[in-house]
Amino acid sequence: DGGITQSPKYLFRKEGQNVTLSCEQNLNHDAMYWYRQDPGQGLRLIYYSQIVNDFQKGDIAEGYSVSREKKESFPLTVTSAQKNPTAFYLCASSPVQGITYEQYFGPGTRLTVT
Amino acid sequence: AQKVTQAQTEISVVEKEDVTLDCVYETRDTTYYLFWYKQPPSGELVFLIRRNSFDEQNEISGRYSWNFQKSTSSFNFTITASQVVDSAVYFCALSEAGGNTGKLIFGQGTTLQVKP
Repeated sequence: DGGITQSPKYLFRKEGQNVTLSCEQNLNHDAMYWYRQDPGQGLRLIYYSQIVNDFQKGDIAEGYSVSREKKESFPLTVTSAQKNPTAFYLCASSPVQGITYEQYFGPGTRLTVT
Repeated sequence: AQKVTQAQTEISVVEKEDVTLDCVYETRDTTYYLFWYKQPPSGELVFLIRRNSFDEQNEISGRYSWNFQKSTSSFNFTITASQVVDSAVYFCALSEAGGNTGKLIFGQGTTLQVKP
């Protein structure tokens, strides 16, 4: 089945550790996105990539890093510099770069840092 | 600046009632896209509808309908004869910069609870 997978669903880390969230899609989509969702809030864009080997900062990129070495993969690293990393992280993809088609979302990863 | 406002934080209805979720947007673009997504308790966002700024026709899909009015910058969503399975958080979103970046601006979301 085509879709977006994010693993793991729940992730626990100690403060000061970097952690990488996985996002894989087999939809052959060009564009991929990472969002953060906090309780009672909408989604905020962290990073996005419209093509392999290229990505741009979103609205809240500080403390995060990404890579896009393959079309199907867009991992997000939450670094120790991120002050409030505990949140729900959603990955999304859309078919065509530069044109706003609907985005398809993965199941999300809930990160808890203590 | 572009912005999406969903003024209703939470709505509670009894099954079979109709319910309308409000969405008001701000943009200076003449070309833009509007979206609605549903987020059930599982967490994954489900795409419901995409509408471009040149198409003001209202749309109906089963029990769902959308009313797009450019004059009031609104894109409201109505669920007719609500069901318990409709309980979720619903997000309205707006494309940024005419859609050239693919970026979306989301509202805060409206939590809908449908009671049996």
